Amino acid sequence: AQRVTQPEKLLSVFKGAPVELKCNYSYSGSPELFWYVQYSRQRLQLLLRHISRESIKGFTADLNKGETSFHLKKPFAQEEDSAMYYCALSASGGYNKLIFGAGTRLAVHP
Amino acid sequence: GAVVSQHPSRVICKSGTSVKIECRSLDFQATTMFWYRQFPKQSLMLMATSNEGSKATYEQGVEKDKFLINHASLTLSTLTVTSAHPEDSSFYICSAYPLVGGDTQYFGPGTRLTVL
Repeated sequence: AQRVTQPEKLLSVFKGAPVELKCNYSYSGSPELFWYVQYSRQRLQLLLRHISRESIKGFTADLNKGETSFHLKKPFAQEEDSAMYYCALSASGGYNKLIFGAGTRLAVHP
Repeated sequence: GAVVSQHPSRVICKSGTSVKIECRSLDFQATTMFWYRQFPKQSLMLMATSNEGSKATYEQGVEKDKFLINHASLTLSTLTVTSAHPEDSSFYICSAYPLVGGDTQYFGPGTRLTVL
């Protein structure tokens, strides 16, 4: 069965500290993994996807097929990074349905 | 950028009535739209995949007669909650995948439904 696990409901850090939001997935095929972000009172938006291998707003995520993980990292957190972060899995591309994790709220304190 | 709108943004209705929620892709066409439901402080749960010109595909456990989906054009999908009850109160979010040049789903702002 397809499943996405985000073990942390809340991650609280101070400004400038490194951040790692954990995501593990379960899927028998070759999944496509995404990170979506939802800032306060805003809609869900794509942060990054594993196939593009790019860094957005200083965030990176590497797909580790051996550990079935797609953790989101940023070396120095900023207050504006405070938001809800969702890891999502798609069986075959963004046009297919997304399976979301429970989400992790990142709170960056000054 | 690709924008998806939802109308209404919030609705309050009496138990037993039906409510229609619209999802529109404003500047692109989408053959596929998705409907999600989000309970407070919980994740998005996919309800159904809406395909233009064909029947929607519902996820397991979602009543198709309760949640009617119509995807009449390449820019509009509607979700009708029939005979709504308080347990249907939730945040409903749609997303759309562009027909051309799409690489991700674009999400609407959501509709807050409260059934009294």
